[in-house]
Amino acid sequence: DTAVSQTPKYLVTQMGNDKSIKCEQNLGHDTMYWYKQDSKKFLKIMFSYNNKELIINETVPNRFSPKSPDKAHLNLHINSLELGDSAVYFCASSQDFYGSFSYEQYFGPGTRLTVT
Amino acid sequence: EDKVVQSPLSLVVHEGDTVTLNCSYEVTNFRSLLWYKQEKKAPTFLFMLTSSGIEKKSGRLSSILDKKELFSILNITATQTGDSAIYLCAVGGGGGADGLTFGKGTHLIIQP
Repeated sequence: DTAVSQTPKYLVTQMGNDKSIKCEQNLGHDTMYWYKQDSKKFLKIMFSYNNKELIINETVPNRFSPKSPDKAHLNLHINSLELGDSAVYFCASSQDFYGSFSYEQYFGPGTRLTVT
Repeated sequence: EDKVVQSPLSLVVHEGDTVTLNCSYEVTNFRSLLWYKQEKKAPTFLFMLTSSGIEKKSGRLSSILDKKELFSILNITATQTGDSAIYLCAVGGGGGADGLTFGKGTHLIIQP
């Protein structure tokens, strides 16, 4: 069974389009995240969700919006795609929240987004 | 701003060698330091360290954290070609939902 899954694995689209990436975790974790990995392999946190609430929102454009229909899902919607949005997007989840020292995050397989 | 610096950025060694990867950090509220291995796809978890001076070991891999000097090392002994990967160091601060701050990684290549 896949612990954290993402769809699609590859996404090729044109500038200006709107697209979504889906993420699901079957680990029963409380918190889910979206990371962006650029062409230089640098991973950077974009969002995290705990109990359907957006906890952090790093300096990402408001064209990116996370949506969590339930605790097991965190989808990423991107409006008006730009060339610079091309990257690999990773979803992750973890069990713990405030008061815990455990930060072990489980990553999905990634979605390679190419904007042409 | 939280900062994680890894060195070297890339390293090429021969099979059987021992390697040491470095990670230094500056975070406002340190909770834990994690090491991940990334091959072709998603990062996979290796170790998490929360206490200073404690060594975590798994087979040929081991890691130690120095909270006073704000760094960690990851050692790999008797390297094999399957160890070739990018090794990522990440630090967690505040609550779990703050996410992890990652370093840029060390690209390790093991030559046969």
